[in-house]
Amino acid sequence: GQQLNQSPQSMFIQEGEDVSMNCTSSSIFNTWLWYKQEPGEGPVLLIALYKAGELTSNGRLTAQFGITRKDSFLNISASIPSDVGIYFCAGQRGDQLIWGAGTKLIIKP
Amino acid sequence: GAVVSQHPSRVICKSGTSVKIECRSLDFQATTMFWYRQFPKKSLMLMATSNEGSKATYEQGVEKDKFLINHASLTLSTLTVTSAHPEDSSFYICSARRQGVYEQYFGPGTRLTVT
Repeated sequence: GQQLNQSPQSMFIQEGEDVSMNCTSSSIFNTWLWYKQEPGEGPVLLIALYKAGELTSNGRLTAQFGITRKDSFLNISASIPSDVGIYFCAGQRGDQLIWGAGTKLIIKP
Repeated sequence: GAVVSQHPSRVICKSGTSVKIECRSLDFQATTMFWYRQFPKKSLMLMATSNEGSKATYEQGVEKDKFLINHASLTLSTLTVTSAHPEDSSFYICSARRQGVYEQYFGPGTRLTVT
């Protein structure tokens, strides 16, 4: 079963607003990954984090690997319509990824 | 890049028949491939992990005789759903990973509908 708590479950925002979502766990992970999935498609890797405290950006996206190795957040600045989709966090443990439940991003017209 | 393809993208089959889904890493060698199943509005559920040349490791509750996985080369893995039933209808997604790295790169998914 899932071992990551991802929040919020969904977000309704205005175009141009900043977005923040996070994942927490009771256990530590060696790597955190953030993916975006659009309807009918497979997830696309956005950012990979390898070290505790690491802060990494990819365009308007910024993600951080929590210092305790038990959490991570993803920020999207100045959201645009094509940012809609479901964002998943995933923590790497051994050979597998443990997935969050996803954050659905909806941009109000 | 790290491009993964899946074929077919959609398939409709009759109950009792088998269907094969292919997953290919197009521009890298995938020592490990994963097969996931995703229900509507849900996260990905890992079905099995396969390493090239080895038998797949199935997650608890996944029937290995029903979901046959073959990873015969470093660029191809196949999932065969045998004797499909309507409850097998789902979105199946594969991912591939290079040796020594943790990132998984996903295929576009296959929508299976069993009638």
